[in-house]
Amino acid sequence: KAGVTQTPRYLIKTRGQQVTLSCSPISGHRSVSWYQQTPGQGLQFLFEYFSETQRNKGNFPGRFSGRQFSNSRSEMNVSTLELGDSALYLCASRDRGNTEAFFGQGTRLTVV
Amino acid sequence: GENVEQHPSTLSVQEGDSAVIKCTYSDSASNYFPWYKQELGKRPQLIIDIRSNVGEKKDQRIAVTLNKTAKHFSLHITETQPEDSAVYFCAASSPYNTDKLIFGTGTRLQVFP
Repeated sequence: KAGVTQTPRYLIKTRGQQVTLSCSPISGHRSVSWYQQTPGQGLQFLFEYFSETQRNKGNFPGRFSGRQFSNSRSEMNVSTLELGDSALYLCASRDRGNTEAFFGQGTRLTVV
Repeated sequence: GENVEQHPSTLSVQEGDSAVIKCTYSDSASNYFPWYKQELGKRPQLIIDIRSNVGEKKDQRIAVTLNKTAKHFSLHITETQPEDSAVYFCAASSPYNTDKLIFGTGTRLQVFP
């Protein structure tokens, strides 16, 4: 079974631009969660999608949004990028609730 | 809202010693508690998990204990080896919060030979 795939792996953007990150979950997994990882802040929850519906949202500004397609692939969008958005963005897929979350390799976003 | 606190943030031990990492959760309805290990430059991977109907779980050199009354859970690593060096994250989720997985801030464990 293929693992969780995130694209692109690395991204450099300028302040004010927008960016879209993609996550393909493990086949059969309907839940996709997104996390922002920065040094000292751990894994901060952004949002979770299940069967194309956003089930949960973390405490991030509205510039962060996402969606999930019928094949469970998910995208995350960040508009009007700020320097502080530089981070590793990880997605994780789960078969169902309260089971192991499988992480992708992440997308390293640098905002200059 | 829900919160998971993790201590210590860094931990250095000599090879062969034990390491203990502690977490506290705020949502008393939480019933699933996984631990993830993240090696440098790699993705987090599950190493052990425990559910609220169990007080302790062991897998070779790794064990997790859960105290539901105090809302504490801990990771114990015995006979540490240099390859145990990594960042460890605890997490908790609650069925009343649609199983949202909330992570602690991580513990950087360094095992010196």
